[in-house]
Amino acid sequence: EDQVTQSPEALRLQEGESSSLNCSYTVSGLRGLFWYRQDPGKGPEFLFTLYSAGEEKEKERLKATLTKKESFLHITAPKPEDSATYLCAVQAGGYQKVTFGTGTKLQVIP
Amino acid sequence: DTEVTQTPKHLVMGMTNKKSLKCEQHMGHRAMYWYKQKAKKPPELMFVYSYEKLSINESVPSRFSPECPNSSLLNLHLHALQPEDSALYLCASSVSGAANEKLFFGSGTQLSVL
Repeated sequence: EDQVTQSPEALRLQEGESSSLNCSYTVSGLRGLFWYRQDPGKGPEFLFTLYSAGEEKEKERLKATLTKKESFLHITAPKPEDSATYLCAVQAGGYQKVTFGTGTKLQVIP
Repeated sequence: DTEVTQTPKHLVMGMTNKKSLKCEQHMGHRAMYWYKQKAKKPPELMFVYSYEKLSINESVPSRFSPECPNSSLLNLHLHALQPEDSALYLCASSVSGAANEKLFFGSGTQLSVL
């Protein structure tokens, strides 16, 4: 069974204080690892897809990286508007099923 | 239009009621999904429709009945729900349902079962 574990559960940062979120996964035949952002009471919003170890993608203050066992979401000089829950998800085999982790709730304080 | 629209946004129902959740997208996507998300938990897949055919049913109780009238619309019919079914119900779509496709989510329907 596919497993996705995210850490920490919650993270509180000062504005401008860079940090990283971790996503560890156990799957058979990874097809893609996804990062989503979710604001309270809203649906997840797509950020990145990573396909293979060594791959990196960037978007504004966010950078996602992938190894064979985990992915990191690096947040550089975060702003209060980056506050949200960040969800990692994996898709394995030829399946349409995406398995989500429990998320990291990020709070950025001005 | 890159939106997935869900109605209603909030729903309160009794255990004997019948109600329906609706989802619509106009992006030309051919795969649509229902997810259930309890508070402080990750979304859990319930159903997948691919080209209007049910392709995944994650052993969801029969009191939840999905329907896909056409490629733009997805409904979830609710009957005789239990209080533990209270959750945020999310609809999503993707281009074709193939592996690696990103999901476009709606804002969800917050359901409370009394």
